[in-house]
Amino acid sequence: LAKTTQPISMDSYEGQEVNITCSHNNIATNDYITWYQQFPSQGPRFIIQGYKTKVTNEVASLFIPADRKSSTLSLPRVSLSDTAVYYCLVGLDSNYQLIWGAGTKLIIKP
Amino acid sequence: SAVISQKPSRDICQRGTSLTIQCQVDSQVTMMFWYRQQPGQSLTLIATANQGSEATYESGFVIDKFPISRPNLTFSTLTVSNMSPEDSSIYLCSVVSPRDTEAFFGQGTRLTVV
Repeated sequence: LAKTTQPISMDSYEGQEVNITCSHNNIATNDYITWYQQFPSQGPRFIIQGYKTKVTNEVASLFIPADRKSSTLSLPRVSLSDTAVYYCLVGLDSNYQLIWGAGTKLIIKP
Repeated sequence: SAVISQKPSRDICQRGTSLTIQCQVDSQVTMMFWYRQQPGQSLTLIATANQGSEATYESGFVIDKFPISRPNLTFSTLTVSNMSPEDSSIYLCSVVSPRDTEAFFGQGTRLTVV
């Protein structure tokens, strides 16, 4: 199962675009890349998932280069309510288990 | 998708007692997991709850401390036994749909042991 590396924390300001990059050098051919968001005292929530190139939904965009060894979650025009921990995960193992890294703690300032 | 109802949402318990956490899913799911998340930390998998058989525990977690039941494909319980302050944490129930390759979580149970 591919290990992921993300920045421990990031700060930004309301209205800005925030990009969080995740490294996953050992990603397997069949692995999808999935990002979750977790607010304090809540379970993680699915944000976006992709395999290659670019995926966009109503919440975020996910950019994946051709070699798929990294990915970037892009949050457009963040607000204070986007303050949360963001986790990048790659693949499911044969037991359908997810391996959770430390995540990136994003703090949005007014 | 799956909607998960987990309860209680929080509890404060005396050391030496036990607490049972319930997880109800709105659809039948094969894979159900229990996690622990200590303050400021990432999620740690406790065990996989298997329907009709004993749960599969991760290293560092044992059945005597964290007994798990999975009587059907929509329900599971996790018991935290003989609690100590070190068990204070958030406990999360999760399901994975193989078709979706996506995990869904309950809102978590915040446990404080005093």
